[in-house]
Amino acid sequence: GEDVEQSLFLSVREGDSSVINCTYTDSSSTYLYWYKQEPGAGLQLLTYIFSNMDMKQDQRLTVLLNKKDKHLSLRIADTQTGDSAIYFCAEAKDNYGQNFVFGPGTRLSVLP
Amino acid sequence: SQTIHQWPATLVQPVGSPLSLECTVEGTSNPNLYWYRQAAGRGLQLLFYSVGIGQISSEVPQNLSASRPQDRQFILSSKKLLLSDSGFYLCAWITAQGEQYFGPGTRLTVT
Repeated sequence: GEDVEQSLFLSVREGDSSVINCTYTDSSSTYLYWYKQEPGAGLQLLTYIFSNMDMKQDQRLTVLLNKKDKHLSLRIADTQTGDSAIYFCAEAKDNYGQNFVFGPGTRLSVLP
Repeated sequence: SQTIHQWPATLVQPVGSPLSLECTVEGTSNPNLYWYRQAAGRGLQLLFYSVGIGQISSEVPQNLSASRPQDRQFILSSKKLLLSDSGFYLCAWITAQGEQYFGPGTRLTVT
């Protein structure tokens, strides 16, 4: 079956790196996404990676994909208080949204 | 550029009352549109999706219905709200490249 798992909470100190982890079960997933949700707001697409990639870097964000272990991570370098939010991992077999499966979200708290 | 709107932003409704949430998309034509619900402390649940005018697919049986009267308009409705309908409702659309973008959401509280 399809299931995406994430730790529910993560706390880091400002300036440190944050690593948010995600595991998925569907090995046929082609697209893997990270979304950010700030309090009371919708989801913002942060980045995504295709399953034929191992890593993708975009400024402070680094996505690592271990397809063998079905493990996806999001690393945020130099974490700032503005990074405090809920981060959702999602997998999809194709680019039809009805096949997106979202994790429960990881609440990142950045401590001063 | 594409923009997605949702209306209203917040809503408090009594049990048994009707519901109508609106989602509109600008800057694209014939988008695939989606309604998700996010319950407190939980992930996203896909409720409905639409690939075109008048075409609605439901993912889970429930008290809600959806309609797509125009190409860029997606409406979520209920005839009689239940307490369990409370949550944060998100509309989304997806690009041809597989990027899914979400609206700002509507927070519904059923009392």
